[in-house]
Amino acid sequence: DSGVTQTPKHLITATGQRVTLRCSPRSGDLSVYWYQQSLDQGLQFLIQYYNGEERAKGNILERFSAQQFPDLHSELNLSSLELGDSALYFCASSPGVAGPGEQFFGPGTRLTVL
Amino acid sequence: DAKTTQPTSMDCAEGRAANLPCNHSTISGNEYVYWYRQIHSQGPQYIIHGLKNNETNEMASLIITEDRKSSTLILPHATLRDTAVYYCIVRAPFQGGSEKLVFGKGMKLTVNP
Repeated sequence: DSGVTQTPKHLITATGQRVTLRCSPRSGDLSVYWYQQSLDQGLQFLIQYYNGEERAKGNILERFSAQQFPDLHSELNLSSLELGDSALYFCASSPGVAGPGEQFFGPGTRLTVL
Repeated sequence: DAKTTQPTSMDCAEGRAANLPCNHSTISGNEYVYWYRQIHSQGPQYIIHGLKNNETNEMASLIITEDRKSSTLILPHATLRDTAVYYCIVRAPFQGGSEKLVFGKGMKLTVNP
C-alpha cells in the first residue's frame, strides 16, 4: 500500500459526458501528479500540482483539467469524453522537498467510455 | 532528462537472482536512476533509486557503474509475484520544478516456476 488513494476504482460512462477522478496523496506529500495509461500510449504524464499550484503540464487535453485543494487532495476533471479517453488514470504523490523526489502511485481509476 | 535503454523482456527462474540491465549513457551528473515496476494493471510501484553508490533496500539492490552510464537492478530471490514490467528512469532530483517521470516501454520480467 503506497498510501495514495484514488476513487473511484472503475468508471463507466458514455461519450460526451464529464467525470471527476479524485486522489488523496500520502500524508505530508505536497506534490501530486496525474498520469494516463492507455494501451497504445503507455504511461504519460498529464499534469503536476505542488501545494495547490499548477507546476507543470504534459500531454493533457484542453478537455481535461485538474486542481489541488487546500487539504492537498486533487481532482482530475475529464469532459466531453471520447472513446479514446478510455484508459487507466494514475495519481502519484511525492514529498515536494529538495531531494530525489521518488513518487508513490495510487491504484488507479479505470475509465471506460462507451 | 536522459533516455534509458532496456531489453524488451527477460525470463528468470523462481528462486534465482534476476539481474535487470539498463543503459543511460547520456546521464547528467545530478540525475538519479530510479526503478519502478508495474504488476499487471496496478499502479507503478517505486523500487529503489541511486545517484552514484550502490543501494540496497528490502526489495532490491541497485548497482550503478562507476561511469554511471549503466545500472543493474537485482532481485536477489525472484518469486512469481515479481513478474511485472520494470521501468528504469533517469531524472534530476526535485528542485521545486517539474519532476515528472518519463516512462519508456520498460522491460517485461517473467518469473517462471
